[in-house]
Amino acid sequence: QSTLTQPASVSGSPGQSITISCPGTSSDVGSYNLVSWYQQYPGKAPKLMIYDVSKRPSGVSNRFSGSKSGNTASLTISGLQAEDEADYYCCSYAGSTIRYVFGTGTKVTV
Amino acid sequence: QLVQSGAEVKKPGESLKISCKGSGYSFSSYWIAWVRQMPGKGLEWMGIIFPRDSEIRYSPSFQGQVTISADKSISTAYLQWSSLKASDTAMYYCARQSADHQDYWGQGTLVTVSS
Repeated sequence: QSTLTQPASVSGSPGQSITISCPGTSSDVGSYNLVSWYQQYPGKAPKLMIYDVSKRPSGVSNRFSGSKSGNTASLTISGLQAEDEADYYCCSYAGSTIRYVFGTGTKVTV
Repeated sequence: QLVQSGAEVKKPGESLKISCKGSGYSFSSYWIAWVRQMPGKGLEWMGIIFPRDSEIRYSPSFQGQVTISADKSISTAYLQWSSLKASDTAMYYCARQSADHQDYWGQGTLVTVSS
């Protein structure tokens, strides 16, 4: 089963912008605009932040944005805040056999 | 809202069934996904079930290792093992699958398998 290999960690100062990459392949990220992003605090359940590459669910701050170029999806957090310190996972549809694949996760430090 | 059953401690070889009860929406109309998170590790998509007709789709990595089921009459989905291994020790989450993403998550069920 394929895995989306995210950077293990990304850090930034308050107010800065950071971008987390989610490199996939032509079998997953590159073929479908079905990438979602999840935020997870230690000991807590994941929370949906972005879906369908760039759509934000109601209630999610507009400081979070998603994009995709070729086989790589990205999550950008602008105006970084202390509360953004968490783990972030991407997830992509990968076809009818594998279905969905998660990224390895990125720890964001503010 | 999705509410999962409580933490479990089991021995290798034992069987187990954990649950995920939905409320506040039409349970039968949305797929329910199961996601594994091993200690200190990332998320792994295990499979999904459509409660209305119990159609199930497994990740190849979990096919044959677990059984997913649902009882729409009580708005509950299940994840089951017939013979647990130490490597099944993990947090297991259920989540509502809305189109191609998981929009609402349960609080998780910690399964510990140890002799």
